Amino acid sequence: AQKVTQAQTEISVVEKEDVTLDCVYETRDTTYYLFWYKQPPSGELVFLIRRNSFDEQNEISGRYSWNFQKSTSSFNFTITASQVVDSAVYFCALSETTGNQFYFGTGTSLTVIP
Amino acid sequence: ETGVTQSPTHLIKTRGQQVTLRCSSQSGHNTVSWYQQALGQGPQFIFQYYREEENGRGNFPPRFSGLQFPNYSSELNVNALELDDSALYLCASSHRTGGRAFFGQGTRLTVV
Repeated sequence: AQKVTQAQTEISVVEKEDVTLDCVYETRDTTYYLFWYKQPPSGELVFLIRRNSFDEQNEISGRYSWNFQKSTSSFNFTITASQVVDSAVYFCALSETTGNQFYFGTGTSLTVIP
Repeated sequence: ETGVTQSPTHLIKTRGQQVTLRCSSQSGHNTVSWYQQALGQGPQFIFQYYREEENGRGNFPPRFSGLQFPNYSSELNVNALELDDSALYLCASSHRTGGRAFFGQGTRLTVV
């Protein structure tokens, strides 16, 4: 069965602090895709990153970085020097196809306090 | 901006009624999926359409049905509305061969 777990329900940080959002996934497939999406209050899901199961190279993009570890089935997301505009709900998701059928976690609500 | 548009943005219906939600996919995308997101939860996969046929379905009853049109736009129909159907409904479009999926801004349905 496929499952995505985001154990952190809510996180509050003070502006400029670093924050890491955790994601653990379960799947029986050897080929799969992992995603992070951001959902601001407007409701639209904003794509942040996609990783396939063969690419364990970690990535840094500006203030964002991702740590994919297949051995622990984790795909964590770090925001460096957080800003108020980063306040949103962040979802980790798993897809076993190249389509758009996702399994989402329950989300982590991030509040950045000025 | 993703190019995926949903209508209406908000809707209030009475229990037992029927509702139709609409989604225009991004240009060039031939696959559309629908999701239900209850308050405080992650989106739950309802079903996916490819070439006007259902191509995958989540754990939702048959009163949730859909259509995809030749221009790849899509509709989600829900019959016999229940209070628990109150949620944000999101659609996502992508190309069948892969690439990013883009989500619309959602339709917030309230059943009273």
